[in-house]
Amino acid sequence: ETGVTQTPRHLVMGMTNKKSLKCEQHLGHNAMYWYKQSAKKPLELMFVYSLEERVENNSVPSRFSPECPNSSHLFLHLHTLQPEDSALYLCASSQEPKDTQYFGPGTRLTVL
Amino acid sequence: DAKTTQPTSMDCAEGRAANLPCNHSTISGNEYVYWYRQIHSQGPQYIIHGLKNNETNEMASLIITEDRKSSTLILPHATLRDTAVYYCIVRGLNFGNEKLTFGTGTRLTIIP
Repeated sequence: ETGVTQTPRHLVMGMTNKKSLKCEQHLGHNAMYWYKQSAKKPLELMFVYSLEERVENNSVPSRFSPECPNSSHLFLHLHTLQPEDSALYLCASSQEPKDTQYFGPGTRLTVL
Repeated sequence: DAKTTQPTSMDCAEGRAANLPCNHSTISGNEYVYWYRQIHSQGPQYIIHGLKNNETNEMASLIITEDRKSSTLILPHATLRDTAVYYCIVRGLNFGNEKLTFGTGTRLTIIP
């Protein structure tokens, strides 16, 4: 247990669905991250939030919409996804962007 | 960020020390060496990090060469649960270069 939880752990959705991934950290950290890990590819950083403000968006398509309502929670809202968006989505947190990041278990997303 | 080079895969007998090498010849003076591992389909797990001195914690030891161009992660008594992909990452701590950039890592298999 790293103190970072993600729900759901598995999600199957159609291309017209709208769903949300949730991440919660119990470590008192101020920075949170979304990463994407596609099959046989390295982890890719998607978004960085520091003190609830988005500080980085790595050219992610608008069908992915992050939300950070407070320093403990991070959401990734999904709509009109494509099959190639199927991947493991990982959340991480750190005390500050420069500190060690701790990862959650991930959400395995399949888009049909 | 400096790039790292790791062997694609390694085997190690259970109970023996696993020594995982990493080359980072272009590392700069303010960049740290971080190690994470990822057990199949789980989130990456932080192991250890260091700047120039050798480091040890309950999971592993990190040996950094004097010129800092390479390092070795040592798992002193490998168990079957240590089978995972191990990532060596170089990152700075200044704003703008603090990203964790994951490569393809070393797939370590512990043999019974």
